[in-house]
Amino acid sequence: AQSVTQPDIHITVSEGASLELRCNYSYGATPYLFWYVQSPGQGLQLLLKYFSGDTLVQGIKGFEAEFKRSQSSFNLRKPSVHWSDAAEYFCAVGSNFGNEKLTFGTGTRLTIIP
Amino acid sequence: EPEVTQTPSHQVTQMGQEVILRCVPISNHLYFYWYRQILGQKVEFLVSFYNNEISEKSEIFDDQFSVERPDGSNFTLKIRSTKLEDSAMYFCASSDILVRNEQFFGPGTRLTVL
Repeated sequence: AQSVTQPDIHITVSEGASLELRCNYSYGATPYLFWYVQSPGQGLQLLLKYFSGDTLVQGIKGFEAEFKRSQSSFNLRKPSVHWSDAAEYFCAVGSNFGNEKLTFGTGTRLTIIP
Repeated sequence: EPEVTQTPSHQVTQMGQEVILRCVPISNHLYFYWYRQILGQKVEFLVSFYNNEISEKSEIFDDQFSVERPDGSNFTLKIRSTKLEDSAMYFCASSDILVRNEQFFGPGTRLTVL
């Protein structure tokens, strides 16, 4: 069964500092990987996705993520965070065998301090 | 930019009552999903729907739940007899036929069962 672990429940960073949110997945084949962001009271917005090819993927709002098969990881990074990045971030895994459901991690809440 | 919409944004109901949550998926999408997020917990898959049939459902999606596409635009989730533990945020999502795992989420309906 597929699963996702986000080890950090809550991260606080200063505005302008770099950010890395961790995500580890468990899946028997090459996974489809996603990062979603959820602002308070809002739905889930897709930040970026990895299906195949280049292991470094670029997303919206200046985010990027790197797929590392050897570490079963798909960490999200941003070189310089903005106050508007404060939100909950969810990593998710899907399959490429027609099983359409996404399996989400428990999320990481990001707080930005001035 | 096309988006998934959901109504109502917040529904309060008494235990044992029936509720219907409504979603309008992106117009050219053919795959539809419901997920839920209990407060403070991860987003969980409930059901996927394609060609007027359920294609996959989780163990959460028991006989109290049903889904329907009553017309060409709406996609509904019905809970026949709500329980306290059904209180959650319910997200609808849709995807197109080519990239089923790239799911676009609506803003959610917060269901409160009293």
